[in-house]
Amino acid sequence: AQSVTQLDSQVPVFEEAPVELRCNYSSSVSVYLFWYVQYPNQGLQLLLKYLSGSTLVESINGFEAEFNKSQTSFHLRKPSVHISDTAEYFCAVSDRDGGYNKLIFGAGTRLAVHP
Amino acid sequence: EAGVTQSPTHLIKTRGQQATLRCSPISGHTSVYWYQQALGLGLQFLLWYDEGEERNRGNFPPRFSGRQFPNYSSELNVNALELEDSALYLCASRVGGGQYFGPGTRLTVT
Repeated sequence: AQSVTQLDSQVPVFEEAPVELRCNYSSSVSVYLFWYVQYPNQGLQLLLKYLSGSTLVESINGFEAEFNKSQTSFHLRKPSVHISDTAEYFCAVSDRDGGYNKLIFGAGTRLAVHP
Repeated sequence: EAGVTQSPTHLIKTRGQQATLRCSPISGHTSVYWYQQALGLGLQFLLWYDEGEERNRGNFPPRFSGRQFPNYSSELNVNALELEDSALYLCASRVGGGQYFGPGTRLTVT
């Protein structure tokens, strides 16, 4: 069965520093990959997604993620973070076995940006 | 276009009671997905409805059930509430391979 591992439960970082949030998934079957962000007391917002094509995907607010099939990874990066990026970030995968319907989530990474 | 909406925002129930949560998907979208976000358990897939039918369910007991109406809105029912059912319940619409979530209903069982 598919599983998602987010290697860091918390990542503290200073404002304007780069950050990488790591995500690995277990199954090598054809997958769709996602990053979601959750601000306190809110629902999930889709940050970016990989369905096919270019392995590097970007969001409108400066985040990017790269699909690495050989390493079954989909790490999230941002070259310079802002205070407003403080939130919890979830990596998720859906696969062909599930008809690309059911999302399997990682446990989340809490990003704390300090001034 | 309006996003996914959920009601109520908060719901407080007593153990043993029933809770009903509602979701309206993005206009014109036929699929509704339900997830539970419980403290310490993370985000877990609950149910998927499409075209009025239950298509898949996660590893939850039968007291978690629901339905989808002809207008594609959906209801999640939780019977015989237990304390551990306290969680944020999220509903989502599928658009172009991704799922877009509503703001959630926070259910508290006392």
